[in-house]
Amino acid sequence: GESVGLHLPTLSVQEGDNSIINCAYSNSASDYFIWYKQESGKGPQFIIDIRSNMDKRQGQRVTVLLNKTVKHLSLQIAATQPGDSAVYFCAENNYGQNFVFGPGTRLSVLP
Amino acid sequence: DTGVSQNPRHKITKRGQNVTFRCDPISEHNRLYWYRQTLGQGPEFLTYFQNEAQLEKSRLLSDRFSAERPKGSFSTLEIQRTEQGDSAMYLCASSSGPDTQYFGPGTRLTVL
Repeated sequence: GESVGLHLPTLSVQEGDNSIINCAYSNSASDYFIWYKQESGKGPQFIIDIRSNMDKRQGQRVTVLLNKTVKHLSLQIAATQPGDSAVYFCAENNYGQNFVFGPGTRLSVLP
Repeated sequence: DTGVSQNPRHKITKRGQNVTFRCDPISEHNRLYWYRQTLGQGPEFLTYFQNEAQLEKSRLLSDRFSAERPKGSFSTLEIQRTEQGDSAMYLCASSSGPDTQYFGPGTRLTVL
């Protein structure tokens, strides 16, 4: 198989700047999406979710945007902090049974 | 702590040995999921329980893998005759419906 999984896309941002992490999903019939944050040695942690009948949803310092036309999801983190450094995964709900996860993006916050 | 718990957190075994992992979901959640995650990849779905019934299994779940949830509470995942390719993080998640899944810390398996 391909080794692309060993080379996670990486985003480096300055502390205090805004971060935008992008994700392309695969199934046009998916109706529910979640962004997870995973720190080293830990399980994925829920950040924010969005249903397919919405284009945007906001949480505390985070916003998720959904563009169903091009099957694209993005996570915006405002005023990025060192504690935001982690790998971020988007996940699409596959007919309510399980989630299909994207390859992940590593976010590094520079001091 | 009322989140999902998994035991053990780390397991090192020799090729050919059997291993068993345990997952305790959030108490009111009737759905339980097992995923496998290898380095640099997102979690991959293995199997899913609703209460004690195993409703779906991925083709990733070979005959050497078996999962149970006998009383609809905790679940076990057993791998027989482990192979080096089984080395991964095994994640458990639970949910109260077909929505947000909450993950445990995972069990990291190393097969020598």
